[in-house]
Amino acid sequence: GESVGLHLPTLSVQEGDNSIINCAYSNSASDYFIWYKQESGKGPQFIIDIRSNMDKRQGQRVTVLLNKTVKHLSLQIAATQPGDSAVYFCAERGRGSTLGRLYFGRGTQLTVWP
Amino acid sequence: DAGVIQSPRHEVTEMGQEVTLRCKPISGHDYLFWYRQTMMRGLELLIYFNNNVPIDDSGMPEDRFSAKMPNASFSTLKIQPSEPRDSAVYFCASSSGSGLTDTQYFGPGTRLTVL
Repeated sequence: GESVGLHLPTLSVQEGDNSIINCAYSNSASDYFIWYKQESGKGPQFIIDIRSNMDKRQGQRVTVLLNKTVKHLSLQIAATQPGDSAVYFCAERGRGSTLGRLYFGRGTQLTVWP
Repeated sequence: DAGVIQSPRHEVTEMGQEVTLRCKPISGHDYLFWYRQTMMRGLELLIYFNNNVPIDDSGMPEDRFSAKMPNASFSTLKIQPSEPRDSAVYFCASSSGSGLTDTQYFGPGTRLTVL
C-alpha cells in the first residue's frame, strides 16, 4: 500500500515567522494529496489539497507545493500565529480499488512561540 | 451544520468488557469512516461504509472489532472483549463521496482507555 512519511516530527517557530512542514510519499502514481491540522483534543481538520497536475496551490496564509520528481510535498504557513500550533498531517488518496481510502503520514508537531 | 458527532468523548473500561462507540455523520454524507489513532501507529483506517454498506474492512484488527451502520445517520464500532492494547483515540469521519477530491470531515474522537 501507499506509504506517506514526514521528515521531522517536531517544528518550533517564532510567531510571525514562516513555517515549512515537509512530507515524502512513495507511490509515484499518487494523484491527490491533502494536508490536515489536528489541534489537541480535536479531530483532524482539512486545510488544503492539491492534485498531481499542479505544482502549487495557495490558500489563506497556506501554500502547498508538490514536487513529483522527488515525491515530496510541503506545507508553508505564512506569518505563523500561536493558533497554528497543532499536529499537521499529510495524506495521500488511494487509487483504483482503494480510492476511498486516505493514507496518513505520522504528523509534525508545530509549536509557535510568542 | 453540527459536524460529525461522536459519543462518548471519553471511555474508561476494564479488560474484557464490551465497548460501543457511536457516530452520527454529517447529514447528506453517504460515506462514513472509522479511524484509530495511536502514538505507535498513527492514524489508521479501520473500516468505511458507503450508503450504510461496509466497503472495506481490511483495517479492522481482529474479530473482536465489529462495525455497523443501521441507517444513514448512525454507526457503531464495537469491541468485545476489549484489551489494553485497544486503548486509542477513535475517530469517525464522513464525506459526500469517495471521489478523488471529496473531503473527509472528522469528528472530535472518542478517547478509549482499557485498564
